[in-house]
Amino acid sequence: QVQLQESGPGLVKPSETLSLTCTVSDGSISNYFWSWIRQPAGKGLDWIGRIYSSGSTNYNPSLKSRVTMSVDTSNNQFSLKLSSMTAADTAVYYCARGSGSRTGEAFDIWGQGTMVTVSS
Amino acid sequence: QSALTQPASVSGSPGQSISISCTGTSSDVGSYNRVSWYQQHPGKAPKLMIYEGSKRPSGVSNRFSGSKSGNTASLTISGLQAEDEADYYCCSYAGTGIWVFGGGTKLTVL
Repeated sequence: QVQLQESGPGLVKPSETLSLTCTVSDGSISNYFWSWIRQPAGKGLDWIGRIYSSGSTNYNPSLKSRVTMSVDTSNNQFSLKLSSMTAADTAVYYCARGSGSRTGEAFDIWGQGTMVTVSS
Repeated sequence: QSALTQPASVSGSPGQSISISCTGTSSDVGSYNRVSWYQQHPGKAPKLMIYEGSKRPSGVSNRFSGSKSGNTASLTISGLQAEDEADYYCCSYAGTGIWVFGGGTKLTVL
């Protein structure tokens, strides 16, 4: 069973750039879409964007100016960079797999999530 | 893209059925057969319960069902059990590679 694991700093200073990596284990990163989704404490899910294994990307229009995603197929990893961080970006960040076009690209596998706090 | 609209909370007694609505627009829910539903218990990652509006992944109880009419999708849980108490989120494709979630619904089993 494919598993996802997020990694990165738990604390980021205001105005700095957040960098997170999601490692895909027990499966291939190829031929799937991979998304980043975040959830502020006590609030709902917010789709940040996705990257295909080929490197093509789609971003949430509300975050597009600050988001960059990349993929490293040789290491079965994909990454998120979110610039100009503010307190409003404090959240649990999840990585998730799009299930494929035959199943509507639903998010079928999720990482456990990593808490990111923006504070000086 | 605006978030899809869900009721903040619903409740039901064990054994009863409840439904959670998810209202979007003709640009998302109404245009694509790509509505999914997720269950999230406190402190846990979301779990896929329904995809393509009405299909269940392997391992998900047949007590969970989904439907769609126009710009509104619905999740129905029949035979409520204590373990169903959780937050539920809908999600829809909104075109050009964009996805949008609902605000979430807290289900309380009385």
